[in-house]
Amino acid sequence: DGGITQSPKYLFRKEGQNVTLSCEQNLNHDAMYWYRQDPGQGLRLIYYSQIVNDFQKGDIAEGYSVSREKKESFPLTVTSAQKNPTAFYLCASSPPEGEQYFGPGTRLTVT
Amino acid sequence: QKEVEQNSGPLSVPEGAIASLNCTYSDRGSQSFFWYRQYSGKSPELIMFIYSNGDKEDGRFTAQLNKASQYVSLLIRDSQPSDSATYLCAVNRWDSSYKLIFGSGTRLLVRP
Repeated sequence: DGGITQSPKYLFRKEGQNVTLSCEQNLNHDAMYWYRQDPGQGLRLIYYSQIVNDFQKGDIAEGYSVSREKKESFPLTVTSAQKNPTAFYLCASSPPEGEQYFGPGTRLTVT
Repeated sequence: QKEVEQNSGPLSVPEGAIASLNCTYSDRGSQSFFWYRQYSGKSPELIMFIYSNGDKEDGRFTAQLNKASQYVSLLIRDSQPSDSATYLCAVNRWDSSYKLIFGSGTRLLVRP
């Protein structure tokens, strides 16, 4: 089955710790994205990558980092510099036509 | 002004009725328009996309685009309780087909 997987589904961390969220896709899409969703809000773009070994900052990149070493994988690290990291994190991928397909998401809670 | 605006709702319709969800956008350069459905606690699921002015139908769903008025809508015919969800409108940015701007969503409630 083709799709996007994210792990873990729920993640709990203490303040001051870095945490890495996994995103893998087997849809053969070149483009991948990370979004953040807060309660009652739309999706905000954190980072995106159009091709392996290249990525660009989105609207809210501060406190986050990514890598794109393989076409299938686009992990997101939430660093201790991110002031309000508790949120629902969504990974997506898209073909050249532009429609984005989402993974199931990771709910991060930082206390 | 928000780049993509949706009424937050809830929009309440009886089962079997037509639900009409609306979205306006500010960037005249936008070329691609998407509707996603998001159930509570779940990730968004793509329903439809539309690129050209006019209507596009897929089963019970019809997307309508009017670029002159900067308006895109989603009609759901024969609404079912299982359609109860938040519907997100997304529009691509003029400078990148890869970057989408999402509205905050409209919550739809279909009453049995």
